[in-house]
Amino acid sequence: DQQVKQNSPSLSVQEGRISILNCDYTNSMFDYFLWYKKYPAEGPTFLISISSIKDKNEDGRFTVFLNKSAKHLSLHIVPSQPGDSAVYFCAAIEEASGTYKYIFGTGTRLKVLA
Amino acid sequence: SQTIHQWPATLVQPVGSPLSLECTVEGTSNPNLYWYRQAAGRGLQLLFYSVGIGQISSEVPQNLSASRPQDRQFILSSKKLLLSDSGFYLCAWNRGGRSYNEQFFGPGTRLTVL
Repeated sequence: DQQVKQNSPSLSVQEGRISILNCDYTNSMFDYFLWYKKYPAEGPTFLISISSIKDKNEDGRFTVFLNKSAKHLSLHIVPSQPGDSAVYFCAAIEEASGTYKYIFGTGTRLKVLA
Repeated sequence: SQTIHQWPATLVQPVGSPLSLECTVEGTSNPNLYWYRQAAGRGLQLLFYSVGIGQISSEVPQNLSASRPQDRQFILSSKKLLLSDSGFYLCAWNRGGRSYNEQFFGPGTRLTVL
């Protein structure tokens, strides 16, 4: 039972245009979300996060939007660059005994074409 | 600054052989520690997490086990590997406590079981 879903396994975008990566979740108790970027044979690196009390968080070229009623979040990258080509994972944080668990989606492979 | 190490980087093991993957974190104390697996075409599956020495929580039933013999050391083991254990294993840490904070991942171990 996948609580965090990324329904698009891949996305291709022209350099300079906007990349939009989507993520849906099922558990309304999640109240913090993150996006990670992963290159092949490396560990993921943190990109940006958002609390459920907000609907937007921006950091440079990266903006995350949260629609809590739709249980949907998206990552916008503007303008897209070839170096952005990677797999992007969204994650939701769930409270667990003594700590928090991170529930990851299946990832979306972004390819930015020069 | 904090760093996280994993070894080995790659491993090829026969079915039925034992496994030991090690993860260590430097530059912090009392971290939460996590083991994930990324199987081909799948997302990041949380296997184990630990909030302290000797405290292990398991997420999925499997033939793997984890141990935390020291504060900043996390070990993933198996007595007998299965073909389905092949994948990319990632160790991660974040600060302990009750506040949300991002996880930091190690470089990963590529395990191939033949």
